[in-house]
Amino acid sequence: DVKVTQSSRYLVKRTGEKVFLECVQDMDHENMFWYRQDPGLGLRLIYFSYDVKMKEKGDIPEGYSVSREKKERFSLILESASTNQTSMYLCASSLSFFRGRSSYNEQFFGPGTRLTVL
Amino acid sequence: AQSVTQLGSHVSVSEGALVLLRCNYSSSVPPYLFWYVQYPNQGLQLLLKYTTGATLVKGINGFEAEFKKSETSFHLTKPSAHMSDAAEYFCAVRVNDSWGKLQFGAGTQVVVTP
Repeated sequence: DVKVTQSSRYLVKRTGEKVFLECVQDMDHENMFWYRQDPGLGLRLIYFSYDVKMKEKGDIPEGYSVSREKKERFSLILESASTNQTSMYLCASSLSFFRGRSSYNEQFFGPGTRLTVL
Repeated sequence: AQSVTQLGSHVSVSEGALVLLRCNYSSSVPPYLFWYVQYPNQGLQLLLKYTTGATLVKGINGFEAEFKKSETSFHLTKPSAHMSDAAEYFCAVRVNDSWGKLQFGAGTQVVVTP
């Protein structure tokens, strides 16, 4: 069974702390994504990565950075957490266009991390 | 640019009644369209997808969706709602790039009443 796992289901941090959210996939996927989910706004893309050490900004990258040192692992970093970063964070992965062709858009999601910043 | 509009942020249906969730899209390329479901405190799970071919797409848990190009719609239906269908549903369209990005709608929360 294919799987995307996230390091924590629930996380509580204080303003100004550095926060790491980890995501691991076991499907040998090239593409990995970080989203945040807020009521009424759907999913918004923060960053994505299409290969090891490669990253691209999504729609809302401000206040976040990412790291991808290994193919299976994609980390989201909040350099200095703020209360407006309280949200649900979802990680996803997919095949690259060159391997997946018609199925490369299908994304597989982790269970999410609900982050509260106090 | 691609975008998705889901009509209705909340839908309430009676158990056994038809479930109809509306999704309209805009896309500058032939659309790939997706419906995902999110059960409470879980990630998103693919319900069904349309890429090419047959415009009526069947998915898991008795759901289906019909791609209508003339109406730029991809509405999701299920003939008879079950209590276990209570969840949030997201429509998504592929972004025209090589990275596999998706543009998601705002979501529709479905409540099923006995």
